[in-house]
Amino acid sequence: DSGVTQTPKHLITATGQRVTLRCSPRSGDLSVYWYQQSLDQGLQFLIQYYNGEERAKGNILERFSAQQFPDLHSELNLSSLELGDSALYFCASSTSRRGGSYNEQFFGPGTRLTVL
Amino acid sequence: AQKVTQAQTEISVVEKEDVTLDCVYETRDTTYYLFWYKQPPSGELVFLIRRNSFDEQNEISGRYSWNFQKSTSSFNFTITASQVVDSAVYFCALSESNAGNMLTFGGGTRLMVKP
Repeated sequence: DSGVTQTPKHLITATGQRVTLRCSPRSGDLSVYWYQQSLDQGLQFLIQYYNGEERAKGNILERFSAQQFPDLHSELNLSSLELGDSALYFCASSTSRRGGSYNEQFFGPGTRLTVL
Repeated sequence: AQKVTQAQTEISVVEKEDVTLDCVYETRDTTYYLFWYKQPPSGELVFLIRRNSFDEQNEISGRYSWNFQKSTSSFNFTITASQVVDSAVYFCALSESNAGNMLTFGGGTRLMVKP
């Protein structure tokens, strides 16, 4: 158990809908990362938040957005869903600080999204 | 831009065989970090090792060992005396110090260990 929790575990929805994925980082971790794992694109970085602020952005679609709240949990919002958005979405957390030494990211169990 | 290549998409071995998973990376940064993660059939990603670009010492942890060679931009992973429980997808990943700690993953190598 990595200490990172994600809800829900599974989500089935229809095209055009909007969903919210939730992540609670490990206790003490200030950074949260979102990754998408799909058959087409593999595992790719979406976005990182550090202590409530956006820190880095990857190949995240404009239909997707994220935020990190004062209690450090994070939500990934996916809207206008398409069939191709079906994937496993991982959240990870670390203690990495801006400009500091790297600390490994610990991954949550993922949320499997199926868009029908 | 950073890139990680795992040329072996699938490897099948018989239990107790040794197996090496290859990882080649590309980066322009002088400070970077390399990782290996394991994804068992249950789907979670399990952190195995982190290595920074200034530390080329090989590392051994039980049946696992890692060989980091800057000269060939490779960070290979060897499992000695493989076991059925080692069956999983293994990902090599890279993070550049100037890239906000984001991980760039290789395509993964599916390892199947048969009894």
